[in-house]
Amino acid sequence: ETGVTQSPTHLIKTRGQQVTLRCSSQSGHNTVSWYQQALGQGPQFIFQYYREEENGRGNFPPRFSGLQFPNYSSELNVNALELDDSALYLCASSLGGLAGLNTGELFFGEGSRLTVL
Amino acid sequence: AQTVTQSQPEMSVQEAETVTLSCTYDTSENNYYLFWYKQPPSRQMILVIRQEAYKQQNATENRFSVNFQKAAKSFSLKISDSQLGDTAMYFCAFMDTGRRALTFGSGTRLQVQP
Repeated sequence: ETGVTQSPTHLIKTRGQQVTLRCSSQSGHNTVSWYQQALGQGPQFIFQYYREEENGRGNFPPRFSGLQFPNYSSELNVNALELDDSALYLCASSLGGLAGLNTGELFFGEGSRLTVL
Repeated sequence: AQTVTQSQPEMSVQEAETVTLSCTYDTSENNYYLFWYKQPPSRQMILVIRQEAYKQQNATENRFSVNFQKAAKSFSLKISDSQLGDTAMYFCAFMDTGRRALTFGSGTRLQVQP
């Protein structure tokens, strides 16, 4: 069983640039969630995709956007990067629908650490 | 909105001893899930234990157990026979059955001393 994989593991950008982070969900999972974890803090929910549609969003501005593809992999895009966007971005997959709701369990990748200078 | 509070930023325990990590939460929901996740230096969040709010019985997973007090909105994690590999950040998290998103606490850094 293949786990959740994320790329790149580390990257450095400058303020105002754009970034794309990628996530491959665990085999058999159709739901992907993205979280932002600032240094020394707990992760914060950005949004979730279920069957290629956004299925819930946290308190993040529209310059945070995403996609989910037919194979259930996902991208997180951040435009007009700000210094405060520096964080670890975590992707988590799960089995959505009734079965997924019953367990509530998410499976996380190792994250992409973004530094904005 | 739900909130999760972990009041112990750091804790230390000797190998083989028992330690309890505290967590409180606030919600108006009646049906929800509570979780403890472990985040070692490798950064990957690993599920330690899960509790469903409608179940009165406290969840256990080998050396890990919880004390779930629904009325008090308290959800503490007990680690028995602590091992060096338990050294990590521990996050308490809440999920309501409708929103499908986790709300995390700020974490407790646990150091197991040899």
